[in-house]
Amino acid sequence: DADVTQTPRNRITKTGKRIMLECSQTKGHDRMYWYRQDPGLGLRLIYYSFDVKDINKGEISDGYSVSRQAQAKFSLSLESAIPNQTALYFCATRDPNTEAFFGQGTRLTVV
Amino acid sequence: GQQLNQSPQSMFIQEGEDVSMNCTSSSIFNTWLWYKQDPGEGPVLLIALYKAGELTSNGRLTAQFGITRKDSFLNISASIPSDVGIYFCAGQLHDFNKFYFGSGTKLNVKP
Repeated sequence: DADVTQTPRNRITKTGKRIMLECSQTKGHDRMYWYRQDPGLGLRLIYYSFDVKDINKGEISDGYSVSRQAQAKFSLSLESAIPNQTALYFCATRDPNTEAFFGQGTRLTVV
Repeated sequence: GQQLNQSPQSMFIQEGEDVSMNCTSSSIFNTWLWYKQDPGEGPVLLIALYKAGELTSNGRLTAQFGITRKDSFLNISASIPSDVGIYFCAGQLHDFNKFYFGSGTKLNVKP
């Protein structure tokens, strides 16, 4: 089983719909992150969380919200999806002294 | 957000050739990381660098943390077809909270 699991792996949704991407981890790490990947832009940080009571905005948080339901779960929501949110989304986890471990990604298409 | 300039953007090489890619930043980083992303997968850590001037190898891969702490390079020797993928650099600032990613180098290896 993967250490960091993202669901769904692929999703097509319509403009204006609400969608939630889920992430769960078995690493026991406190820190969890959501990144967005676009061609030629690398990975950009959307939100990050250091524990269930701590949520922080990243570089590109507009249009997104997150929920840290438990230490092992961190979900990303698009309240009203728009086409320029079409991208590959990655969840990652780490502890202060470790590198980041990434999920396999969720490919989201907004039509 | 922080800017990491990664180059080249893409490379087409023959199997057996050596490869070099680098990242530069206007900011000083405490940590440099190099990740590889295979198609349909999340990034996987290749090498982590924690000290200015550090040179670290992992099999055919060698990476260095620049003396100025504003750059890093990754070399791959004697490339093989399974080296194909996108390579990302990532830098961590002094607050140890976030990583910033380069835009990636797409490597193609012709058998």
